Amino acid sequence: AQSVAQPEDQVNVAEGNPLTVKCTYSVSGNPYLFWYVQYPNRGLQFLLKYITGDNLVKGSYGFEAEFNKSQTSFHLKKPSALVSDSALYFCAVRDRVDSNYQLIWGAGTKLIIKP
Amino acid sequence: GAGVSQSPRYKVAKRGQDVALRCDPISGHVSLFWYQQALGQGPEFLTYFQNEAQLDKSGLPSDRFFAERPEGSVSTLKIQRTQQEDSAVYLCASSDAGQTTNYGYTFGSGTRLTVV
Repeated sequence: AQSVAQPEDQVNVAEGNPLTVKCTYSVSGNPYLFWYVQYPNRGLQFLLKYITGDNLVKGSYGFEAEFNKSQTSFHLKKPSALVSDSALYFCAVRDRVDSNYQLIWGAGTKLIIKP
Repeated sequence: GAGVSQSPRYKVAKRGQDVALRCDPISGHVSLFWYQQALGQGPEFLTYFQNEAQLDKSGLPSDRFFAERPEGSVSTLKIQRTQQEDSAVYLCASSDAGQTTNYGYTFGSGTRLTVV
């Protein structure tokens, strides 16, 4: 069965420190990979995606993610965390087969940045 | 509009009441999705439209849930005889490339439904 795992329910980081939010997946083939962020009482906002090409993908708000095919991972990173980065982060994948249009979601990781 | 608009933002319903949730996708977007998100969890797929055709409703949890998109733009998710377990945020998302999109989707802010 296809699945996405975000092994940490919560990640705590001091402001100014680098942050990593982990995501691994179990999907056949080479899926499309996404990160979304959700602020309180807001909808999901697209952060970045991996489709093809360079394994390091840069996205919104200074975030980046590294695709690692051998480890089937797509960890979200940022060199220097801001308090305003505190939010809920979701990893999602989608099969490259056109008929499989559904996004498969991780359970989410709550990121808390402390001043 | 510039984004996906959902209304109402908040809805409190008494158990047994019918509710209707509206989604205005980005103009011209072909694909429209409804998701249900329980507190502290990721979104769960409910149903998918391509234009006015409902191509997949496999995620609808019961026959009390019904969705429509009669003119291929605005969509309504209707829940009949609401139960407490229906309490969740209902998210709508749209995309502009049919089933072949390789991008993520644009989500609305959601409707938070609380059944009391």
